[in-house]
Amino acid sequence: SQKIEQNSEALNIQEGKTATLTCNYTNYSPAYLQWYRQDPGRGPVFLLLIRENEKEKRKERLKVTFDTTLKQSLFHITASQPADSATYLCALAVNTGFQKLVFGTGTRLLVSP
Amino acid sequence: EAQVTQNPRYLITVTGKKLTVTCSQNMNHEYMSWYRQDPGLGLRQIYYSMNVEVTDKGDVPEGYKVSRKEKRNFPLILESPSPNQTSLYFCASTPTGTGRYEQYFGPGTRLTVT
Repeated sequence: SQKIEQNSEALNIQEGKTATLTCNYTNYSPAYLQWYRQDPGRGPVFLLLIRENEKEKRKERLKVTFDTTLKQSLFHITASQPADSATYLCALAVNTGFQKLVFGTGTRLLVSP
Repeated sequence: EAQVTQNPRYLITVTGKKLTVTCSQNMNHEYMSWYRQDPGLGLRQIYYSMNVEVTDKGDVPEGYKVSRKEKRNFPLILESPSPNQTSLYFCASTPTGTGRYEQYFGPGTRLTVT
């Protein structure tokens, strides 16, 4: 069966450290993968997109890697801050291009001062 | 300000009473979508629309209807709501033809069906 797995347990880290979140998938061949941030009670906000032929993407303190052999994406936040505390969702574009996005359940990140 | 708006934000209703959740975007996006978010299940796509008068089912379309008569609006209709449709609903829009695939989400509508 097709699955997208993100760690359901919250990730607790100290301010200044690097947070690494994982997204694993099975039985999908995504054209690209996206990461979103979601704060409690609010809609997800787009962060980064990485295509199947790209290994790594960066944006300010964020870095995403995409390994289609391992079927895994890693999402890194360097020099983390308490304001980075949120739930982070990965989403795969599958089947017929971008209109079909399948989301993981998200990982909650807690950055303590 | 570029945004996706949804109304109402909160709604408590009773089983069987038809309701409509409105969604509007001011970014001239062709693609719009509805999701529901439930604990442990994540975001699941209900319906999507590639453009005016073009709609298609997502993963969980049962019990829902949509229409796309104007580019900016994409209402979600529950003809006969049931308690299992209690959820947090999000509308989203995406520009097409630009190579940008990010989805812009609305603020959400929390629906409770008793």
